[in-house]
Amino acid sequence: DTGVSQDPRHKITKRGQNVTFRCDPISEHNRLYWYRQTLGQGPEFLTYFQNEAQLEKSRLLSDRFSAERPKGSFSTLEIQRTEQGDSAMYLCASSLGSGGLDTQYFGPGTRLTVL
Amino acid sequence: GENVEQHPSTLSVQEGDSAVIKCTYSDSASNYFPWYKQELGKRPQLIIDIRSNVGEKKDQRIAVTLNKTAKHFSLHITETQPEDSAVYFCAASKANAGKSTFGDGTTLTVKP
Repeated sequence: DTGVSQDPRHKITKRGQNVTFRCDPISEHNRLYWYRQTLGQGPEFLTYFQNEAQLEKSRLLSDRFSAERPKGSFSTLEIQRTEQGDSAMYLCASSLGSGGLDTQYFGPGTRLTVL
Repeated sequence: GENVEQHPSTLSVQEGDSAVIKCTYSDSASNYFPWYKQELGKRPQLIIDIRSNVGEKKDQRIAVTLNKTAKHFSLHITETQPEDSAVYFCAASKANAGKSTFGDGTTLTVKP
């Protein structure tokens, strides 16, 4: 499968614990995005990378959230001291990021449940 | 920042009828408008997109129209089939500028 992959697919954690999610983009894609989706809503932008540089962060991304893309390939999203309000689907997407065509392809998501 | 509104939130049609979903956007600098289909428990899948230099684009039973002046765009599905049942999201972005802003989705149900 050459699409965007995410791991784990599901995560259940207790409030206050830290969690980390991984995203592997389509191999030739330079841009990588993180979104959060709650039930009945569209994906909400969190942050995105151009290669290893984090170019934009949403104000939704509190200081408990951090994302990295150390070598410009896979990315990790860490949530520290999780809260029940963090329960959501975390979606990763990637795009080629050049030539004016920036179609984003989504991964299957990581569903986080905070108890 | 950009704001995208999508209507209706739910839409039910009979098999074979047409379905139309409408979105408006606020940022006149947005120039790329994709539509995604999301089935229950699955990832959003791109079904069609349009850029601001084009007024209409069609792909088999699916078409998208864009009115830049009014800042709205629409998805048209003709000859609907039960497998078209899903949540559809519109989005707006500036090409080569990162994030997309999504609407809240339309749940389409096609009754056989």
